[in-house]
Parts: sequence; structure tokens; C-alpha cells
Amino acid sequence: GAGVSQSPRYKVAKRGQDVALRCDPISGHVSLFWYQQALGQGPEFLTYFQNEAQLDKSGLPSDRFFAERPEGSVSTLKIQRTQQEDSAVYLCASSFPPGHMTDTQYFGPGTRLTVL
Amino acid sequence: DAKTTQPPSMDCAEGRAANLPCNHSTISGNEYVYWYRQIHSQGPQYIIHGLKNNETNEMASLIITEDRKSSTLILPHATLRDTAVYYCMASQGGSQGNLIFGKGTKLSVKP
Repeated sequence: GAGVSQSPRYKVAKRGQDVALRCDPISGHVSLFWYQQALGQGPEFLTYFQNEAQLDKSGLPSDRFFAERPEGSVSTLKIQRTQQEDSAVYLCASSFPPGHMTDTQYFGPGTRLTVL
Repeated sequence: DAKTTQPPSMDCAEGRAANLPCNHSTISGNEYVYWYRQIHSQGPQYIIHGLKNNETNEMASLIITEDRKSSTLILPHATLRDTAVYYCMASQGGSQGNLIFGKGTKLSVKP
């Protein structure tokens, strides 16, 4: 079946603009994660959903970052008033239902955001 | 989640085994060892995971020491397509399963 998809693949924004990044997880996957990857670094956790519930948002760097998953499938990461330090690749991952302690996360290709 | 340490880079000749080490001396009893890799410009890809016993799948083998303080990922016959950054992580999985990637090991497979 189809893997995790993300759109757009590339986004260029002017400083101060709002952006919205979309993630389509694998069908049936309950858990969804967002990560941020700066150039030359490993991905860093942003937030986690179980169905539509956002259970952990401890990694969101500021209140300009907002994520939602209203129907428990597609998720959107929104960044308001973008800054140059927001430039990074934003990765989405989904995994099998909870209760399985060894969930494998399946990652999308990421959205590369460049803020000018 | 336990912190892991890996060498920043390694080279391997094509066709030879690649052995990638990882230290996780503070791993807790309910944390699994996960390995992912990231090929340039792609999202991370799951390779293998284990708790106590050695594991093998079609991609690799995972050797975990008896005290669980370190592990080795083995790619038995490395190809040029295995050139990537390899991440070793310890995670409880499930709802506690956000992965802490670190910087990983850049493996370069050379002809």
C-alpha cells in the first residue's frame, strides 16, 4: 500500500508569512509524529497524536507552531509568522495502533521549508 | 529515553560487512534498541529493533550485549546503496515512542 505522503515537498516563504504543511499517514495508523530536521542534524521530535488527540506537544519550539489532526487521519503542521530559524525539513511519521510496545515508525519524505 | 553514542563516520568496502557500534549504557529495562537509517534527501527508514536477544531480518542483524549497554548493527554485504546516516536509539515505543535521533553514524560504502 501507499506510504506516508507529505505536501508540499518544498516550500519557500518570506519571513513573517504563515505556512501549512500536510501529512497523509498510512491508512489505519493511529499514531502520528512530527519531527523537525535542521541541516546536518538528526530529526528532533515536535509533537505526537493518537487518533485526533494531541498527546504530546513538548517539542514544539514556540507558540507559533501549531499542529492538528481533526479526524484522526490527515495532519497539518502550521507555522505562523515564519522566521529564518524555522528553515528545516519537517518530517511526518505514522505507526501502528498503541498497545504494541514496539511500534515501527514509517516516515514520509519530508517538506523542506526555506524562510527568506 | 536513554541517550546513545555513535561514531560520527565510518567507511566500508563494497561487498564487505559493515559493523556499526552504539553505546547505550543508561538504557532502562523497558526500552528497545532501534536502528533507522536516512539516505540523502529521504525520510528515515526503519531497519531493525531488539530488546535483549539478537535479531536478524532481511536488511541487517542486531547484536545486543548481555548487559544491554551496547549493540552492533551488522550489514552483512554492504552495497553502495547502503551509504546513509545510521541512527541508533533507545525507546519504549507506543505512546512514549518519540524517537531521539542524535547525529548518527555517516556510513560511506566505497567501491
